[in-house]
Amino acid sequence: KAGVTQTPRYLIKTRGQQVTLSCSPISGHRSVSWYQQTPGQGLQFLFEYFSETQRNKGNFPGRFSGRQFSNSRSEMNVSTLELGDSALYLCASSIPGQGAFHKETQYFGPGTRLLVL
Amino acid sequence: QQQVKQSPQSLIVQKGGISIINCAYENTAFDYFPWYQQFPGKGPALLIAIRPDVSEKKEGRFTISFNKSAKQFSLHIMDSQPGDSATYFCAASGSNYQLIWGAGTKLIIKP
Repeated sequence: KAGVTQTPRYLIKTRGQQVTLSCSPISGHRSVSWYQQTPGQGLQFLFEYFSETQRNKGNFPGRFSGRQFSNSRSEMNVSTLELGDSALYLCASSIPGQGAFHKETQYFGPGTRLLVL
Repeated sequence: QQQVKQSPQSLIVQKGGISIINCAYENTAFDYFPWYQQFPGKGPALLIAIRPDVSEKKEGRFTISFNKSAKQFSLHIMDSQPGDSATYFCAASGSNYQLIWGAGTKLIIKP
């Protein structure tokens, strides 16, 4: 089974621009979560989509948005980029109700590394 | 109350030694505590997980110890190997399934 794929893998943008990142989950996985990873800050949860609906949302400004399509593929968009948005953006997919102890084991993609200049 | 505090931030262990990473939480509603392992250039991958109804879980060289009264849990890596060098994250979740992550520990195993 193919793993979670994210495109692009690397991206360089300038302040004020916007960016769209894409995530294709493992086949059959209907839940997709997005995280921002920066050195020393761990993984900060952005949002989670399940069956095209946002199920959970982290504490990020409205510049960060996402959506999920009927085939479970997901995109996240960041508008008006700031220098502090430079990070590794990770996508994870899961099957609700399955995995360790019926909690959702999350399967991560390799991430998109975004650099904002 | 939603935080998970992880320590140390970095750790250097000799090959064959025991690596210990600690995490503490506040929210008593958390009922699922996984550890993820991340290699450079890769996303995190589930290593081992525990529920609060047991005090210890072992899988190969990896053991989670759980202290419910102290609201702490730790990862022990026995006979640490250079291939274990990675960043380790603890996490916790409750009924809403959302994982709350620790800040990560960069582990280096010296040959």
